Amino acid sequence: KAGVTQTPRYLIKTRGQQVTLSCSPISGHRSVSWYQQTPGQGLQFLFEYFSETQRNKGNFPGRFSGRQFSNSRSEMNVSTLELGDSALYLCASSLGEAGTGTDTQYFGPGTRLTVL
Amino acid sequence: AQSVTQLGSHVSVSEGALVLLRCNYSSSVPPYLFWYVQYPNQGLQLLLKYTTGATLVKGINGFEAEFKKSETSFHLTKPSAHMSDAAEYFCAVSDLPPSYGKLTFGQGTILTVHP
Repeated sequence: KAGVTQTPRYLIKTRGQQVTLSCSPISGHRSVSWYQQTPGQGLQFLFEYFSETQRNKGNFPGRFSGRQFSNSRSEMNVSTLELGDSALYLCASSLGEAGTGTDTQYFGPGTRLTVL
Repeated sequence: AQSVTQLGSHVSVSEGALVLLRCNYSSSVPPYLFWYVQYPNQGLQLLLKYTTGATLVKGINGFEAEFKKSETSFHLTKPSAHMSDAAEYFCAVSDLPPSYGKLTFGQGTILTVHP
């Protein structure tokens, strides 16, 4: 099975612009979670989508949004970029069963976003 | 809110030596625990996870971890380090049910292996 893929792998943007990142989950996985990784804050949960619905959300401002399509592919959008948004953005897919917490998340390679 | 503490942001060992990476969690109920590894410019790869049952969990690449409820710990060990083990390791805890895709990670431990 193909793993989780993320595009693009690298992005450079300037402050004030917006950006859209894409994530294709493992075939059969219906849940996609997004994380931000920075040297200062570490790995932080952004949100999770399942069957095109956001089921969970972390503590990020409304500039961070996402969506999921009927084929489970997901996109994440950041509007009005700030310097502090520079980070590695990781998505992870899982089966999305029941929300028990036992689901294994499989991570993609990430998108490295640099905001100038 | 759940939290995870990894003691030691950097650990250095010699090739062939024991690897011990420490993880403590804060949770009012027994959580589900995970160890992930991240190699440079890559995503996270699952090493092992504890959900229920046997408290000693074996993972890939010779790693194992023991869940100790009394100590709220889930330390990762490997009897003999290889050069290829050099990477960053993250301990994570699943949110309380319903968890809906949220993992809370520790700050990570960079493992260096010397020849």
